Amino acid sequence: GENVEQHPSTLSVQEGDSAVIKCTYSDSASNYFPWYKQELGKRPQLIIDIRSNVGEKKDQRIAVTLNKTAKHFSLHITETQPEDSAVYFCAASKPRAGNMLTFGGGTRLMVKP
Amino acid sequence: SQTIHQWPATLVQPVGSPLSLECTVEGTSNPNLYWYRQAAGRGLQLLFYSVGIGQISSEVPQNLSASRPQDRQFILSSKKLLLSDSGFYLCAWSVRGSMRNTIYFGEGSWLTVV
Repeated sequence: GENVEQHPSTLSVQEGDSAVIKCTYSDSASNYFPWYKQELGKRPQLIIDIRSNVGEKKDQRIAVTLNKTAKHFSLHITETQPEDSAVYFCAASKPRAGNMLTFGGGTRLMVKP
Repeated sequence: SQTIHQWPATLVQPVGSPLSLECTVEGTSNPNLYWYRQAAGRGLQLLFYSVGIGQISSEVPQNLSASRPQDRQFILSSKKLLLSDSGFYLCAWSVRGSMRNTIYFGEGSWLTVV
């Protein structure tokens, strides 16, 4: 089955700096890659996603890049703010009954003011 | 718009007691439904998913079971809780047959087994 590896597990940046989180996946049939943000004690919420027919997608300070050949994708957050502090999860999915997502292990991002 | 409700939000149960967590989705039909568990400070583990009424698939062997008695209702149960069942339980849904496999989570249920 699909395996998603996420790095780093923790990331500490200064406010205003950029943060990059990287994920690799194993199944070349995967074609959908969402990113979720989970604040302490709350549910994961979708922040951005990308499909395999697109190499990059941007939404204000957040961007995701996808390299299908290398089977890796990354989340980029620019001009980080303290409210960006959370755990971020990447995931991968392929067309199949149930639409299951396979999640990475998560990255705890801490933005220091 | 679609909403997902999950309850109870928190519960403390003794070892060996039963469990029932309930989840309902509104504003959509024929959703895929999921139960995830998250141990403290850990990742998201898929426990069960369902593509229709009465259709349950289990991803990991465990002390828990799931049922889908109605199209938009998903229930997580246990007959006898173990200490290791403690965690944050998340119900989720997605649009069946969608090319964009986005999963939307409920607010979660904190279970502490003592």
